[in-house]
Amino acid sequence: DTGVSQNPRHKITKRGQNVTFRCDPISEHNRLYWYRQTLGQGPEFLTYFQNEAQLEKSRLLSDRFSAERPKGSFSTLEIQRTEQGDSAMYLCASSLAPGGRTFYEQYFGPGTRLTVT
Amino acid sequence: GNSVTQMEGPVTLSEEAFLTINCTYTATGYPSLFWYVQYPGEGLQLLLKATKADDKGSNKGFEATYRKETTSFHLEKGSVQVSDSAVYFCALSPTGFQKLVFGTGTRLLVSP
Repeated sequence: DTGVSQNPRHKITKRGQNVTFRCDPISEHNRLYWYRQTLGQGPEFLTYFQNEAQLEKSRLLSDRFSAERPKGSFSTLEIQRTEQGDSAMYLCASSLAPGGRTFYEQYFGPGTRLTVT
Repeated sequence: GNSVTQMEGPVTLSEEAFLTINCTYTATGYPSLFWYVQYPGEGLQLLLKATKADDKGSNKGFEATYRKETTSFHLEKGSVQVSDSAVYFCALSPTGFQKLVFGTGTRLLVSP
């Protein structure tokens, strides 16, 4: 078990460009989450998947953001036409949850730091 | 809505001092409550949790008690170490939801 991994760890892009981040969860974890953390703030929930199904999306996830988890394993988060306000740390987490309403511990990756110039 | 308020930092203490980091919450229903810790250069780690009123979560000498009457979940440790220097986040999971709602974090600096 190597934990949750995220790539790249850092990304610098120019405004208007598209970027894509990848998250590899702990193997066999069926739930995967994306959060965004800006400087001096706590992480904010963006979306989560159970297996390949995207079950919840925050209002923070504008039309320029899209997340996928095509085979229920790794996930990608794409931001189109980046804006300076998108600069943040993007965190991925995963959990093993048999289902239902109970909360199960989320294990976080190290994050991808995005800087939009 | 759901929100978490925690004391601003940094909190600066000498080794072996007593630590309290205040956390209050607003939520509908009966949320679960958590403290996460982020050491320099590392990802968030769950420190402790409590899932119902009057539960006490504890780990590594840290404790927090779920107080529904005061909507609080204050983090305490009797004797801090230099290695406890980190950012501490209070968080809740609203009833029936899988997401976490975090506070803004409190940086703890412990000097020898």
